[in-house]
Amino acid sequence: GQSLEQPSEVTAVEGAIVQINCTYQTSGFYGLSWYQQHDGGAPTFLSYNALDGLEETGRFSSFLSRSDSYGYLLLQELQMKDSASYFCAVLGSGGYQKVTFGTGTKLQVIP
Amino acid sequence: KAGVTQTPRYLIKTRGQQVTLSCSPISGHRSVSWYQQTPGQGLQFLFEYFSETQRNKGNFPGRFSGRQFSNSRSEMNVSTLELGDSALYLCASSALPVASGKDTQYFGPGTRLTVL
Repeated sequence: GQSLEQPSEVTAVEGAIVQINCTYQTSGFYGLSWYQQHDGGAPTFLSYNALDGLEETGRFSSFLSRSDSYGYLLLQELQMKDSASYFCAVLGSGGYQKVTFGTGTKLQVIP
Repeated sequence: KAGVTQTPRYLIKTRGQQVTLSCSPISGHRSVSWYQQTPGQGLQFLFEYFSETQRNKGNFPGRFSGRQFSNSRSEMNVSTLELGDSALYLCASSALPVASGKDTQYFGPGTRLTVL
């Protein structure tokens, strides 16, 4: 099986940088994705790491280390609109080719 | 390009009834996946359809079923509804099968099902 753990809540100040961690236990997976979901909205794709290392997309960056079973999402220059829930997700490989989502982190950006 | 659409957006049913939810993927996308989202269990995978074939299924009872039509539209059916089935049901589409690991999933707005 697969499980992904994230902090339940994070609070950060507008303009600052915040890191949301994702630790996982999985037998194998293709890559680690990140999704943003505003209250009442649908998840939207942010970033995907197929390989170890850092992927940068504008203010958002995502990192993966398979050897450490760990990844994170880095949000820079925080804006109030970044207040949302963030989910990591893995696509299992081999006999378990399903998307498993993390527990989710609710980010609150304060002035 | 139009996004993923789901109908209805809101639904209220009573225990024991059945319900059918519909999902229309982005044009050209052949993979449709269904997810259940609840405050307690988070986002959980239900099943994926690609080219009218179910490719994968999550750990849900047989009361949850689905199908996909030749135009890639998908329906999900839940029979003998239980209170615990109250949730936001999301579908997501992608051009390639999820297992390809090469494509992004685009989510619809969801159907909010309330079982009384």
